[in-house]
Amino acid sequence: GAVVSQHPSWVICKSGTSVKIECRSLDFQATTMFWYRQFPKQSLMLMATSNEGSKATYEQGVEKDKFLINHASLTLSTLTVTSAHPEDSSFYICSARKAGGPSGTQYFGPGTRLLVL
Amino acid sequence: KNEVEQSPQNLTAQEGEFITINCSYSVGISALHWLQQHPGGGIVSLFMLSSGKKKHGRLIATINIQEKHSSLHITASHPRDSAVYICAGFLIQGAQKLVFGQGTRLTINP
Repeated sequence: GAVVSQHPSWVICKSGTSVKIECRSLDFQATTMFWYRQFPKQSLMLMATSNEGSKATYEQGVEKDKFLINHASLTLSTLTVTSAHPEDSSFYICSARKAGGPSGTQYFGPGTRLLVL
Repeated sequence: KNEVEQSPQNLTAQEGEFITINCSYSVGISALHWLQQHPGGGIVSLFMLSSGKKKHGRLIATINIQEKHSSLHITASHPRDSAVYICAGFLIQGAQKLVFGQGTRLTINP
């Protein structure tokens, strides 16, 4: 159990377009989901924390109008990269915290590789 | 100063060797995750521990709360163990989020 999926697994888009990435908890309800970004050979960087039914909390330096997060249900959170630019090219990973589960436990998705041309 | 420090950053060993990766963390971290990331990018959670020791197959994770130190051991290492291993601490204060170490890139040669 505790499987998290992401869609798409990779995406190539033109500069200026918007890209939506989905994160789903397949077999559990997730009250909280986290969005991370990872540059090559670097560790994960938390972008925002998303709680179902409320506004996401963004980390310092992350533009909330650039990276729109919606957590409309207990199994789905979306990250939309608006007006993408080449510097947004990165590996985006989500994780989910199970409702009622240990607060420190997170289940990670497989990641989405974004390339902006 | 990073709240989670890992060592070594890179480790190359021969198949069959016993591997140890270390992680030190600061005050305010209540639990540690050990994560594995293969070249394809997907992350697998290996262990979460807040005390003692856990074992799964050839993998063993230990944590010493007094010393704020954790280790991940791999016995009888195999080339398929080659990956980046990441230690992540769970902050109990404030945002209650994970803070990540820089990762250890492990290469096991046949």
